[in-house]
Amino acid sequence: DAGVTQTPRHEVAEKGQTIILKCEPVSGHNDLFWYRQTKIQGLELLSYFRSKSLMEDGGAFKDRFKAEMLNSSFSTLKIQPTEPKDSAVYLCASSFGDRDTQYFGPGTRLLVL
Amino acid sequence: GEQVEQRPPHLSVREGDSAVITCTYTDPNSYYFFWYKQEPGASLQLLMKVFSSTEINEGQGFTVLLNKKDKRLSLNLTAAHPGDSAAYFCAVSGNSNNRIFFGDGTQLVVKP
Repeated sequence: DAGVTQTPRHEVAEKGQTIILKCEPVSGHNDLFWYRQTKIQGLELLSYFRSKSLMEDGGAFKDRFKAEMLNSSFSTLKIQPTEPKDSAVYLCASSFGDRDTQYFGPGTRLLVL
Repeated sequence: GEQVEQRPPHLSVREGDSAVITCTYTDPNSYYFFWYKQEPGASLQLLMKVFSSTEINEGQGFTVLLNKKDKRLSLNLTAAHPGDSAAYFCAVSGNSNNRIFFGDGTQLVVKP
């Protein structure tokens, strides 16, 4: 079985641009998570979906971050407009649910100039 | 909500020494506990999932101890080797929904 896949692996954007990150969860998993990872803040939860429904939308990130899950096998995270402080690694994870183990994708390393 | 504190943030040991990383949590109803390893440039990989009913959990080259009374979870790497050099994260699953709360991570360096 394929694990969580994320594309692109690296993204460079100019300040003010719109970027879209993509994630495909493990087949059969019901829950999908988006995290941002930085050295200073550690792992921060951005969004959490259960069976495609948005369960949690990290309050501090609502302004310019929008995660969507149009079907059970694909999710996007849009950042609009990007700012230099958004430079980080964005991780997607999925799980069966009910406090089950989260499996992480390889991440997208974003650099905003 | 759940608060997870992980210590130390950085740890350097010699090859063959043991390395201990500890997390404390606040929710006494926490039920699932996790340790993840993140090698440089890679994503988080699950080391072990621990249930609240088991206090001592043996892995390959490491032991995870759970002290529910003190709300403390520890990862003990016995006889560390350079391949263990990585960031380690603990995670605690709260009693409601599927939220998992992560510690801030420990950067472990094992010197030859």
